[in-house]
Amino acid sequence: TQLLEQSPQFLSIQEGENLTVYCNSSSVFSSLQWYRQEPGEGPVLLVTVVTGGEVKKLKRLTFQFGDARKDSSLHITAAQPGDTGLYLCAGDDQAGTALIFGKGTTLSVSS
Amino acid sequence: GAVVSQHPSWVICKSGTSVKIECRSLDFQATTMFWYRQFPKQSLMLMATSNEGSKATYEQGVEKDKFLINHASLTLSTLTVTSAHPEDSSFYICSASGRASGANVLTFGAGSRLTVL
Repeated sequence: TQLLEQSPQFLSIQEGENLTVYCNSSSVFSSLQWYRQEPGEGPVLLVTVVTGGEVKKLKRLTFQFGDARKDSSLHITAAQPGDTGLYLCAGDDQAGTALIFGKGTTLSVSS
Repeated sequence: GAVVSQHPSWVICKSGTSVKIECRSLDFQATTMFWYRQFPKQSLMLMATSNEGSKATYEQGVEKDKFLINHASLTLSTLTVTSAHPEDSSFYICSASGRASGANVLTFGAGSRLTVL
């Protein structure tokens, strides 16, 4: 069974600070996705990374996929209160299979 | 495109009753649907994978007689929690995998919160 270790599990920071969330595995994934989830709602896809070493940017969010496709990171620059939420990484070993989720990172950004 | 509708959003039931949750792909054909369970402040745990027209594959530790999954068409899968008990109270989320506009898609529903009294 593939496992994704996500850290930190909880993060509470002040507005304007930077943060990084890590997602690591001993397994290789064909793709890795990052989601953000609000309470009482389903996860919303932020980005999908598929190529080892790939870096994608989404405004203040930077996503990186490890060269070996076993790990990924999400970096948020100058966090804002609107970034508060549960961030989930998820990977699959081939298209059409179930996503395996990390334990999630609950981010709280206070003003 | 690639919208998944989940119904109901909220359901409260008495202990011992059964509850059905529907997951529909609105604008694409979902060859595979996945059911997840999520407890407060925790991540999503895969319960089962269902392919249209065949029996669902359940993850280890998930009782197939307790959580009945039916995937009778390419746009609908249902999860029935039978003889629900308070420990079954949780947030249930489905996702659908298929092709829309020529691309592979994987979309999540908005979730269904079940409270068993």
